[in-house]
Amino acid sequence: EVQLVESGGGLVQPGGSLRLSCAASGFTFSRDWMRWVRQAPGKGLEWVADIKGDGSAKNYVDSVKGRFTISRDNGKNSLYLQMNSLRAEDTAVYYCARGWYWAFDMWGQGTMVTVSS
Amino acid sequence: QSALTQPPSASGSPGQSVTISCTGTSSDVGGYNYVSWYQLHPGKAPKLMLFEVSKRPSGVPDRFSGSKSGNTASLTVSGLQAEDEADYHCCSYAGSSWVFGGGTKLTVL
Repeated sequence: EVQLVESGGGLVQPGGSLRLSCAASGFTFSRDWMRWVRQAPGKGLEWVADIKGDGSAKNYVDSVKGRFTISRDNGKNSLYLQMNSLRAEDTAVYYCARGWYWAFDMWGQGTMVTVSS
Repeated sequence: QSALTQPPSASGSPGQSVTISCTGTSSDVGGYNYVSWYQLHPGKAPKLMLFEVSKRPSGVPDRFSGSKSGNTASLTVSGLQAEDEADYHCCSYAGSSWVFGGGTKLTVL
């Protein structure tokens, strides 16, 4: 069974940092693009970043460029999102998702990030 | 990277059909046949309902269908059932990035 489990969310002050993790199982992790998507309270989904299976290509939404870094460890079947210089507008549920046929076919349950003083 | 435009709400009675629109630009919806739709129930992981405009993943009922014309994609749910009540979000590839809609809350009356 394909499973994605996020962790690492929590409460952080503006300007602070957090590292999100996503543990994958049930598929050949190293073969697939992996993505982070977030949903702020009362808002729609927003794609944040993605990374190619071998880690050779990464893309980011403009609002997080220079602050967030996506990475992966294929030996540990894990995806990461290092978030620095956090802002109140980064408050959201963060999901990891698998890229499949130009879509996002499997999602985790999400982890909540709250940026507040 | 502006969000796609969806109506905030839609509704229909059991057995009826409802269509949800998703409007973008020539840089996203109009430029690629890579529109997908996601169903969100509170507290659950999002679920892929359609990909590449109109293709259904295994396990998604054929009551769900999709189409696209120009810069607007649509999701149609036929034969509405109570369990279809959820939020639906569209998404389009936009060339090395992805853009989502604001979501539509579907209510089954």
